Amino acid sequence: AQSVTQLDSHVSVSEGTPVLLRCNYSSSYSPSLFWYVQHPNKGLQLLLKYTSAATLVKGINGFEAEFKKSETSFHLTKPSAHMSDAAEYFCVVSETDNYGQNFVFGPGTRLSVLP
Amino acid sequence: GAVVSQHPSWVICKSGTSVKIECRSLDFQATTMFWYRQFPKQSLMLMATSNEGSKATYEQGVEKDKFLINHASLTLSTLTVTSAHPEDSSFYICSAPRSGTDTQYFGPGTRLTVL
Repeated sequence: AQSVTQLDSHVSVSEGTPVLLRCNYSSSYSPSLFWYVQHPNKGLQLLLKYTSAATLVKGINGFEAEFKKSETSFHLTKPSAHMSDAAEYFCVVSETDNYGQNFVFGPGTRLSVLP
Repeated sequence: GAVVSQHPSWVICKSGTSVKIECRSLDFQATTMFWYRQFPKQSLMLMATSNEGSKATYEQGVEKDKFLINHASLTLSTLTVTSAHPEDSSFYICSAPRSGTDTQYFGPGTRLTVL
């Protein structure tokens, strides 16, 4: 069975500084990994996904994540935070076994961006 | 990209009434749709998997008689909260995978408030 850990429930950065949101996972199979963003009172938007191609994945809005199998990590980064990046971020692991696809969410990390 | 819609976006109802939430895949067919529930400041909890033409599969602890799911067509799944009570107040989100991919596309969510 898979699981996802997001080590920080809340991250606060200043506008223009780098963002690092950490995600570690466990999976019995070769997983697919995703980052979703949820702005206040909104649904979820896919930021990026890793599906066994390039380990460095570029997403929308300047975000990227690097899949490190040895560390079972998929941390999300952005070089320079913008005020509009303030939101909740979810790391998600998906794997397909004999019973179908499983999709497991991490607990989320709230990103605050200070002016 | 793929689009999933939900209707209504928000609803307020009296305790004891039933509320129906629709989830539609607008530009692709979805044989499977997922229903999630999100409490304030928490991650998403998978409630059930909706399968077109067959019964939904409910997660452990979710009352199937209270949360009725109907997947009547390849583009529409409905969740009916029967005899709603204040503790059912939550943010309900549906998602659907595009055929041939493992990426979930999420609806914008429905905020239910039961008075």
